Amino acid sequence: DAEITQSPRHKITETGRQVTLACHQTWNHNNMFWYRQDLGHGLRLIHYSYGVQDTNKGEVSDGYSVSRSNTEDLPLTLESAASSQTSVYFCASSGGPNAEAFFGQGTRLTVV
Amino acid sequence: KNEVEQSPQNLTAQEGEFITINCSYSVGISALHWLQQHPGGGIVSLFMLSSGKKKHGRLIATINIQEKHSSLHITASHPRDSAVYICAVSVGAQKLVFGQGTRLTINP
Repeated sequence: DAEITQSPRHKITETGRQVTLACHQTWNHNNMFWYRQDLGHGLRLIHYSYGVQDTNKGEVSDGYSVSRSNTEDLPLTLESAASSQTSVYFCASSGGPNAEAFFGQGTRLTVV
Repeated sequence: KNEVEQSPQNLTAQEGEFITINCSYSVGISALHWLQQHPGGGIVSLFMLSSGKKKHGRLIATINIQEKHSSLHITASHPRDSAVYICAVSVGAQKLVFGQGTRLTINP
């Protein structure tokens, strides 16, 4: 069965460290998204990609970067982790604008 | 004002009750999604709709494009339905804009 997986599921890191969260999907979807979920804010878009070599900034992209070298993967990098980036991160993929979205299980990141 | 508003924010009901969660949006959309998130869990897509009504088991979703409003109904609610229900809309270039979610608790 096709799926979307995130790793790690939980991570604790120190302020200032570079961190990369992995997202891998086997749906062969062109569209992939990274969101963060915080109490009081709901889900907010960090970065997204519509295909290989395509990346775009979302509403809360400062301090984050992504790269898309193949269809399956969209890793999210925190260049220099800050306590404000403590959050739950969700990766999602979809086949198009009117297609169902599939979400990973989430990564709980704590920056200490 | 958020582009997607859900009501109520919290809802507690007894097992067996009929549940309605509402979603209003203020932007033009290509589709609306209802998502479910159990505590500590991932996010699961329940429905995607752009018109009319869809039904899956005890869950029914409706949308009124003219009024920019959607509802999610749960019939014969059960404690396992306890979760956060999130309304999201597809706006423009395929991105999703999310509501704040409705926390539903069904007591036995």
